Amino acid sequence: SQKIEQNSEALNIQEGKTATLTCNYTNYSPAYLQWYRQDPGRGPVFLLLIRENEKEKRKERLKVTFDTTLKQSLFHITASQPADSATYLCALDLRGYSTLTFGKGTMLLVSP
Amino acid sequence: DVKVTQSSRYLVKRTGEKVFLECVQDMDHENMFWYRQDPGLGLRLIYFSYDVKMKEKGDIPEGYSVSREKKERFSLILESASTNQTSMYLCASRSGLASTDTQYFGPGTRLTVL
Repeated sequence: SQKIEQNSEALNIQEGKTATLTCNYTNYSPAYLQWYRQDPGRGPVFLLLIRENEKEKRKERLKVTFDTTLKQSLFHITASQPADSATYLCALDLRGYSTLTFGKGTMLLVSP
Repeated sequence: DVKVTQSSRYLVKRTGEKVFLECVQDMDHENMFWYRQDPGLGLRLIYFSYDVKMKEKGDIPEGYSVSREKKERFSLILESASTNQTSMYLCASRSGLASTDTQYFGPGTRLTVL
């Protein structure tokens, strides 16, 4: 069956360091992958989309890579800040009809 | 900016009650979605709609129904609420059918069924 996997354990890092989050998927070849941020008690907010023919995408302090051979996407936040603390979700179009299937998310905690 | 609103942030209902969760989007999006989110299980798709009066089952439709009478409004109905439907419910909308379109979420409704 098709599956999306993200690290279930929280990632704790110090302010100023680079945070790297992982999204792995199996049994599928997606045309694109999306990353969302979710704060406690709120709905997810779109951050970045990367297509299968793009190796890397950047937006300010965010960088996403997409390795279709490894079936993996990495999400980096450089110069992390306490305000970056949140849960980050990756999402793929696994079932068609423009529906997204989300990973369970990884919580990032940035300490001052 | 796209805005997706949900009728309630918090809701407490009793077992067996009929529950309506309303969602409204203001950007003329064709596609609308209902998810539930539970600790350890992540976001799971309940139902979605790609046009007025059209609906498709998601991954966990049992115990739920939906209604889309107008393009901007998508309602989730719990015919007879049960305690295992206690959850955070999230509505989302998305323009067109292009797979690269961004999905916009509402703030969520935290439903407790006693």
